[in-house]
Order: sequence, then C-alpha cells, then structure tokens
Amino acid sequence: EPEVTQTPSHQVTQMGQEVILRCVPISNHLYFYWYRQILGQKVEFLVSFYNNEISEKSEIFDDQFSVERPDGSNFTLKIRSTKLEDSAMYFCASRGLAGGPNTGELFFGEGSRLTVL
Amino acid sequence: DQQVKQNSPSLSVQEGRISILNCDYTNSMFDYFLWYKKYPAEGPTFLISISSIKDKNEDGRFTVFLNKSAKHLSLHIVPSQPGDSAVYFCAASAYGQNFVFGPGTRLSVLP
Repeated sequence: EPEVTQTPSHQVTQMGQEVILRCVPISNHLYFYWYRQILGQKVEFLVSFYNNEISEKSEIFDDQFSVERPDGSNFTLKIRSTKLEDSAMYFCASRGLAGGPNTGELFFGEGSRLTVL
Repeated sequence: DQQVKQNSPSLSVQEGRISILNCDYTNSMFDYFLWYKKYPAEGPTFLISISSIKDKNEDGRFTVFLNKSAKHLSLHIVPSQPGDSAVYFCAASAYGQNFVFGPGTRLSVLP
C-alpha cells in the first residue's frame, strides 16, 4: 500500500539552528500538507501546498517557516531559526484529486519529532 | 477559537460493546468531515469520512453520523475491540481548504 514517508524520525537541534524536515508524499497525490502536534496538544495545521505554491497557511507558519517541493517527489519543511516552542511532532500529509479537493482523505506520514534545546 | 470540539478527553468501553465518540463544530461552512485514529508515536490513520450531503456513512464496524442542524457528528464503533484503543480525532474542512482537527478523545477498550 502506498504511504507517506518522513525523515528524520527524530531530530535534536540547538535553538537558533536551521532544520529541514523531509517528506515523500504518495506519488500520484497533488495536495501536500504539514501539520504539527506539540506534546499533549491537538494536531495543528501549518501549511498546504498545491501546484507548486502555498495554497493556505496558518498563523503558526510565520517567516521562519518555508516549504519546498524541490524535485517533484520530496516535500520539505524548513525552519530557519528554531525556537524552543518549535519542539513538536511534525506530520506531513498528502491527498489525491479523486473528485476534487474536497474529497479524499489525508494520508499522514509517521511524523518527525523535533526537539529544540 | 476552537472550531472543532471533542468534549470528552477520554472514554472507556468494555470489549464487545459500542463506543460512541462525539464531535461538535462551530463553522457552518464545514462540509467534509473525517475521523482519524492515532497510536502513540505514529501518524494519524484515516478511518472514515462523511460529506455534508449525507447523514450517515458506514464502513465495517465504523459508522459516522452527521447532524448538520446541530453541527454534530459521532463515530460509532461496534463491536469495540482492544485494538481500537487509541486517540480518535475528528477533522473538518470547508470547500477543500485545510482540515481543522479536534483535540482528540482517548478511547480505552477494556478486555
């Protein structure tokens, strides 16, 4: 069964360092998302990406965050200068067209745990 | 502003009985709803969906009911099994925009 894969599974970094989280969405999917879950809190939307551009972003997704689809298969989330409060589990998700953007489930990766010290 | 609420943080059910997980939403523009199950240290796994043109959708042991006038949906699991023990998230979307997740309900199915 096709799946969304994420690397690394866990990254520890110093505050102020740049971090890149990588995702390989399901190959025929066209909508890509990043969500995060701070420990003990709910899953929060960060950004959605379609047709090589950001289609929607939350207030969490400030200038420190960026996304890229550099080569047609990878979908990356970059945090330019990490803060302590960026420590969370980051989930990538993708969705196919299947009837339009308002149908079809999101397929999530296993997540990348980011720990900022 | 919690657009999607799951007011029960936890629920315990005996194996074989019905589990009912509830979700309420405030945004009347939401027209597509999903339920996800999440085990610790894993990504959310899709369970079942429903669009606003329906009031019920069934898939095996899982049934989702939607009451648009009450802005309420529920997930029924019958019969509940110990492997169903997980955190269940309700998520809602408006016209293909991003999905907003509820805070989750931790279900424990007791043998």
